[in-house]
Amino acid sequence: GQQLNQSPQSMFIQEGEDVSMNCTSSSIFNTWLWYKQDPGEGPVLLIALYKAGELTSNGRLTAQFGITRKDSFLNISASIPSDVGIYFCAGQRDAGGTSYGKLTFGQGTILTVHP
Amino acid sequence: NAGVTQTPKFQVLKTGQSMTLQCAQDMNHNSMYWYRQDPGMGLRLIYYSASEGTTDKGEVPNGYNVSRLNKREFSLRLESAAPSQTSVYFCASSSVPQDEQFFGPGTRLTVL
Repeated sequence: GQQLNQSPQSMFIQEGEDVSMNCTSSSIFNTWLWYKQDPGEGPVLLIALYKAGELTSNGRLTAQFGITRKDSFLNISASIPSDVGIYFCAGQRDAGGTSYGKLTFGQGTILTVHP
Repeated sequence: NAGVTQTPKFQVLKTGQSMTLQCAQDMNHNSMYWYRQDPGMGLRLIYYSASEGTTDKGEVPNGYNVSRLNKREFSLRLESAAPSQTSVYFCASSSVPQDEQFFGPGTRLTVL
């Protein structure tokens, strides 16, 4: 089945550094989502993007919905130790027909922050 | 509100055994989903239920069955477990199919 190409696969950074990760697809999505997964937990939604070109912030997080609707990126500024986890992008097509709002996930970016 | 709950948290099976993973949500959501998570693969949709009384296959349905018992509960059954089904299984729910999905804490399944 189709998956999104997410990069990088892992990152090791120092506390205070900025982080950037991105997701690309060969097909169009109408919604892009970014999730974070803490160890032993389920993913939690960080940011949702609904419009091509949209730039949205949530605290130290900023995400953008690519103009072509085939990509998205997530930036984390001034990283802190609790940013550690796995970050997933996900694309969603509109509900209706056979799509039913199903999510397609990227492979994840494992983030490690050294104090 | 507990959100989405899953039982059990951990399970070890032998090849050929069967088991049912349970999921319940208390948010009055219409749609529920089952995903599996494997290293380097992200989450892949196994089955979903857009509303009570309906279920449909996702990306990787082979070897699984589901039951939408009522609006709150959505179970996943492995009839004859195989080592390839070793994974972490997540249940999720959303108000309607295109809305935000809320995930449970997962069930870690090992098939020997």
